Amino acid sequence: AQSVSQHNHHVILSEAASLELGCNYSYGGTVNLFWYVQYPGQHLQLLLKYFSGDPLVKGIKGFEAEFIKSKFSFNLRKPSVQWSDTAEYFCAVNAGETGANNLFFGTGTRLTVIP
Amino acid sequence: KAGVTQTPRYLIKTRGQQVTLSCSPISGHRSVSWYQQTPGQGLQFLFEYFSETQRNKGNFPGRFSGRQFSNSRSEMNVSTLELGDSALYLCASSPRQAGKLFFGSGTQLSVL
Repeated sequence: AQSVSQHNHHVILSEAASLELGCNYSYGGTVNLFWYVQYPGQHLQLLLKYFSGDPLVKGIKGFEAEFIKSKFSFNLRKPSVQWSDTAEYFCAVNAGETGANNLFFGTGTRLTVIP
Repeated sequence: KAGVTQTPRYLIKTRGQQVTLSCSPISGHRSVSWYQQTPGQGLQFLFEYFSETQRNKGNFPGRFSGRQFSNSRSEMNVSTLELGDSALYLCASSPRQAGKLFFGSGTQLSVL
């Protein structure tokens, strides 16, 4: 069975600081990887995704994530955070070969950015 | 395009009752998935429907069921409610590409 671990439950940063949120997954086969974000009062939305190809993927709002297969990791990064990045971030995985939409989510990391 | 619409927004039920939640996907999306979100367990996959057929099912008891209609709208039903069923139930629709989910705002279910 697939599972996802997000090690940081709550991260507090000042504006302009760099961000890295950890995500590790367990699954032996081909995977699709995702980061979703939930801004306060809004619903979950896709930040970025990895299906295949270049392991460094870029998403919206300056976010990027790197897939390191040997480490089963898909960490999210942003060089300089803004107050508007305050949100909850969820890493998710599904089996790449199924084409289905049964995602396994991590428990989320709450990011608070202090102006 | 209108987003994913879930009704009702809030529900309060008592143990033993049953409940039906509704989801209208984005126009043209044929896949509808349901997730349960709780503070302790996070987001857990319930089931996915595609063209009126259940394509995948998560690890939930048979009290949780769903269906999808020909217009892609979906309902999920929980029978014999338990206190532990209190959660935010999220519906997500998807175009053909797997995993690119568009979520609704959810139905907050409280079981007393």
